[in-house]
Amino acid sequence: ETGVTQTPRHLVMGMTNKKSLKCEQHLGHNAMYWYKQSAKKPLELMFVYNFKEQTENNSVPSRFSPECPNSSHLFLHLHTLQPEDSALYLCASSQDGGSFYNSPLHFGNGTRLTVT
Amino acid sequence: QKEVEQNSGPLSVPEGAIASLNCTYSDRGSQSFFWYRQYSGKSPELIMFIYSNGDKEDGRFTAQLNKASQYVSLLIRDSQPSDSATYLCAVKVDSSYKLIFGSGTRLLVRP
Repeated sequence: ETGVTQTPRHLVMGMTNKKSLKCEQHLGHNAMYWYKQSAKKPLELMFVYNFKEQTENNSVPSRFSPECPNSSHLFLHLHTLQPEDSALYLCASSQDGGSFYNSPLHFGNGTRLTVT
Repeated sequence: QKEVEQNSGPLSVPEGAIASLNCTYSDRGSQSFFWYRQYSGKSPELIMFIYSNGDKEDGRFTAQLNKASQYVSLLIRDSQPSDSATYLCAVKVDSSYKLIFGSGTRLLVRP
């Protein structure tokens, strides 16, 4: 496998469920990101990890909980979500967290989440 | 509130024409500017970046940056149907880890 891999590709969950999204990068990058993409809205940055340390939490509700055990893996734990949380969740990585033109973002294919 | 604005489109051009995509941004501290292409159902992929005023060319693509007027544009020469996609403008502000994205412009290239 190469690049940035996200699983699952599709997820349907009820508002009382707990689920997790997984992201793995095989690029040797040190920074990983979670973005949310909703219809007709800009990509929204949720979290940034640089060298396993969280450097950004973009005012994300606590029902979203990130975890970064190492520089290659990133998780997004979900619990008691709302229907408006339905969106495409994209993971991305870059060589480092500060210099996007030296190390552009590489995105995974995303997880399409539907909250019922 | 830092914002990046794009016309949602669709922008429809005939095959072989020049497609011109525009983006404006609100924060004068913005340093670097990126164009991503996103095909339907796919993830965004980087096309070009620019950080100096003027033009930057890469094959059929030219990025243009005017920091005084706070806009950045992407020109696609000899447009092909395979260029049909949504083009996302993204802006990096100061030394943060954030890329601020616009909503994207949908481009349709008619055969």
